[in-house]
Amino acid sequence: GQNIDQPTEMTATEGAIVQINCTYQTSGFNGLFWYQQHAGEAPTFLSYNVLDGLEEKGRFSSFLSRSKGYSYLLLKELQMKDSASYLCAVSGGYQKVTFGTGTKLQVIP
Amino acid sequence: ETGVTQSPTHLIKTRGQQVTLRCSSQSGHNTVSWYQQALGQGPQFIFQYYREEENGRGNFPPRFSGLQFPNYSSELNVNALELDDSALYLCASSLTGGNSPLHFGNGTRLTVT
Repeated sequence: GQNIDQPTEMTATEGAIVQINCTYQTSGFNGLFWYQQHAGEAPTFLSYNVLDGLEEKGRFSSFLSRSKGYSYLLLKELQMKDSASYLCAVSGGYQKVTFGTGTKLQVIP
Repeated sequence: ETGVTQSPTHLIKTRGQQVTLRCSSQSGHNTVSWYQQALGQGPQFIFQYYREEENGRGNFPPRFSGLQFPNYSSELNVNALELDDSALYLCASSLTGGNSPLHFGNGTRLTVT
């Protein structure tokens, strides 16, 4: 089966940097995704990691360590519009993508 | 490029009834996945369809069933509705393969009374 853990809530200040961690245990691994979901909206794709290391995409970066079953999403230069839930998701066997419960990030002035 | 569209946006049903939710895939995508998202939770995988066949299923009972059509659009059917079925139902299309990101529709909010 799949088990994904991430913090429930985080608060950070506008302009700051925040790191959202995700740990996982899976029976198969085809990669790890991060999605952003604003309240009342659909999740949107942010990043994909399948090899160990850091992937940078503008203000957002994502890191993966397969041996540790660990990933993080790093958000730099936080903006108010970054207030959202951030979902860690693992692609396992049979094309199944399993999501964590999400981390609700609140950006304050 | 047309995105993923779902209908209806909201629906209210009574316990024991049946419901059909519809989804049109993003153009060029051949795989459709359905997810159930309860308030404050992450999406839970229901099943996935590829080439009109079920290609993986989560921990949902058989009263949750689906179809995929030749144009890659899809339906989710739920029989004998229960109160706990109240949730946001998300459809996501993608290319086949575990490394293809999911593109979600805006969902159908189902309320069972």
